[in-house]
Amino acid sequence: GAGVSQSPSNKVTEKGKDVELRCDPISGHTALYWYRQSLGQGLEFLIYFQGNSAPDKSGLPSDRFSAERTGGSVSTLTIQRTQQEDSAVYLCASSNPQGAIMDEQYFGPGTRLTVT
Amino acid sequence: GQNIDQPTEMTATEGAIVQINCTYQTSGFNGLFWYQQHAGEAPTFLSYNVLDGLEEKGRFSSFLSRSKGYSYLLLKELQMKDSASYLCAVSGWGYQKVTFGTGTKLQVIP
Repeated sequence: GAGVSQSPSNKVTEKGKDVELRCDPISGHTALYWYRQSLGQGLEFLIYFQGNSAPDKSGLPSDRFSAERTGGSVSTLTIQRTQQEDSAVYLCASSNPQGAIMDEQYFGPGTRLTVT
Repeated sequence: GQNIDQPTEMTATEGAIVQINCTYQTSGFNGLFWYQQHAGEAPTFLSYNVLDGLEEKGRFSSFLSRSKGYSYLLLKELQMKDSASYLCAVSGWGYQKVTFGTGTKLQVIP
C-alpha cells in the first residue's frame, strides 16, 4: 500500500511568512510524529499525535509552531513568522502501536524548508 | 526525560564487522529501535528490542541490556552500501513518544 507522504517536498519562503507542511500517514496508523532535522544533525522531536490528540507538545521550539491532526489521518504543521533558523528538513512518521506495544515508525520523504 | 548517547562517526573496512554502541538514560523504558538513514533520505527501520539479549536479522544484529541502559548494533560482512547514519531511538512508558539519538555516521572504506 501507499507509504507516508508529505507535501510540499521543497519550500522556499521569505523570513516572516507563514508556512504549512502537510503529512498523510499510512491508512489506519493511529500514531503520527513530526521531527525536524538540520543538516548533518539527528532527529529533533517536535510533536506526537495519538489519534487527533497530542499528548506531548514539548518539542515544539516556540509558540510560532503549531500542529493539528483531523479525522485521525492528515496532519498539518504550521510555522508562523518564519525565521532563518527554522530552515531544516521536516520529517513526518506514522506507526500503529497496540496499547503499550510499540510499532516501527514509517517515515515520509520529508519537506525541505528554506527560509531566506 | 531521556538522554541517548552514541558515537558521532565510525569508519570500518568492507567485509569487516562493526559494532555501534548506544547508551541511554530514560524516565521509563518501553523499547529501543535502530534506524538506518542514508544521506538525503528518510530513516528506515532496522530493529526493535524490548527484552534483554541479541536479536539477529541477516547481517544485522541488535543487543539490549536494560539494566545497563545499553544497546549495540552489529553489522557483519560490511558492504559499501552500509555507509549511512545509524540512529538509536528509545520509547518510554505511558505513551508512544520516541526519542532519537544524534546518530552515528558510518563510513565503509574499500
